[in-house]
Amino acid sequence: GEDVEQSLFLSVREGDSSVINCTYTDSSSTYLYWYKQEPGAGLQLLTYIFSNMDMKQDQRLTVLLNKKDKHLSLRIADTQTGDSAIYFCAERSTPAGNKLTFGGGTRVLVKP
Amino acid sequence: EADIYQTPRYLVIGTGKKITLECSQTMGHDKMYWYQQDPGMELHLIHYSYGVNSTEKGDLSSESTVSRIRTEHFPLTLESARPSHTSQYLCASSEPGQGREKLFFGSGTQLSVL
Repeated sequence: GEDVEQSLFLSVREGDSSVINCTYTDSSSTYLYWYKQEPGAGLQLLTYIFSNMDMKQDQRLTVLLNKKDKHLSLRIADTQTGDSAIYFCAERSTPAGNKLTFGGGTRVLVKP
Repeated sequence: EADIYQTPRYLVIGTGKKITLECSQTMGHDKMYWYQQDPGMELHLIHYSYGVNSTEKGDLSSESTVSRIRTEHFPLTLESARPSHTSQYLCASSEPGQGREKLFFGSGTQLSVL
């Protein structure tokens, strides 16, 4: 079945760039997503990328996709304390219908 | 901004009680989902619905049941709560159409069964 893996924890200084990595196993993935979960809240969709794209930039967020290696990353430029949260990578493959498979989440801690 | 609401936000209940977690969305989305999330763990899909009168079990086996009588409402019921049901339950709905499907999540219900 589908599997999505992420590192557990990332610590970064305020103002630096953060890079969160994700690997997935399903070669038929069509869309890949990044969600943010702040403490006590639901998940918020940050950005997504279609599988035929290599890169997508949206303000401070840059998503890189290496489809050959099944590797997805999220770069946050000029990281702020408000970026401290858990970030979930998710993939959607058409054969599985409209269900998303989520990674375990990466907890990002931004230090002042 | 997404309009999907879950109640209650927190629930502490004794073993054996019947509970219903409410989820409502005002966006007219056909597709709705229930995810279960243990602390520090990934989300697991437990139920989903493609529209009124449609309910399906997700990847993770769950003793809960769902119903979808109205488009905007997707409640989850546990007939007899047990401590193993302690978890966070997240409801979501998605925009219609193929392709860039976006999930919108509620704030979640943190359930504790004593």
